[in-house]
Amino acid sequence: KAGVTQTPRYLIKTRGQQVTLSCSPISGHRSVSWYQQTPGQGLQFLFEYFSETQRNKGNFPGRFSGRQFSNSRSEMNVSTLELGDSALYLCASSLRAQKVEQFFGPGTRLTVL
Amino acid sequence: GQQLNQSPQSMFIQEGEDVSMNCTSSSIFNTWLWYKQDPGEGPVLLIALYKAGELTSNGRLTAQFGITRKDSFLNISASIPSDVGIYFCAGRDQGGSQGNLIFGKGTKLSVKP
Repeated sequence: KAGVTQTPRYLIKTRGQQVTLSCSPISGHRSVSWYQQTPGQGLQFLFEYFSETQRNKGNFPGRFSGRQFSNSRSEMNVSTLELGDSALYLCASSLRAQKVEQFFGPGTRLTVL
Repeated sequence: GQQLNQSPQSMFIQEGEDVSMNCTSSSIFNTWLWYKQDPGEGPVLLIALYKAGELTSNGRLTAQFGITRKDSFLNISASIPSDVGIYFCAGRDQGGSQGNLIFGKGTKLSVKP
């Protein structure tokens, strides 16, 4: 069974631009969570989607948004990029919203110049 | 946001040695997970724990859910070079929102052949 896939793997943007990252969960998994990983803050939860609905949101500004499609694929968008948004963005999928075992993709490395 | 206290931050050991690391929280957790992350990849789930006192093994790895429900331990026996990586604990506290995993800052393990 294929794992979680994320595209693109690497991205370079400049301040003020916006970016969209994509995540395809494991087949049959309906919940997708997004995390930001930085050396200083570690792994921090962004949001979780289940059945095309955002179920939970972390403490990030409104510039960070996401959505989920009917096939469970998810996208996250960051608008008006700031230097501090440079990070590894990880997507994790699980069978359902309350299933705690989450399986991560390889991440998208975003660099903001 | 809330984070787990994971220690040690890093370990440099000889191949064949046993390794121990732990994670503590100020609040009661109802689930503990242990992940390993290799450079450039997403975290891989190693062990999941669901009950206080639970002891679970996965090959040379053994993890325990602390009796107080505020801590967890991971042991690696007879370490080998491929054990190198960053180990993260993660969990959900009993008051936590669905899908929101809280992560420790990680233990970086280096193994000398």
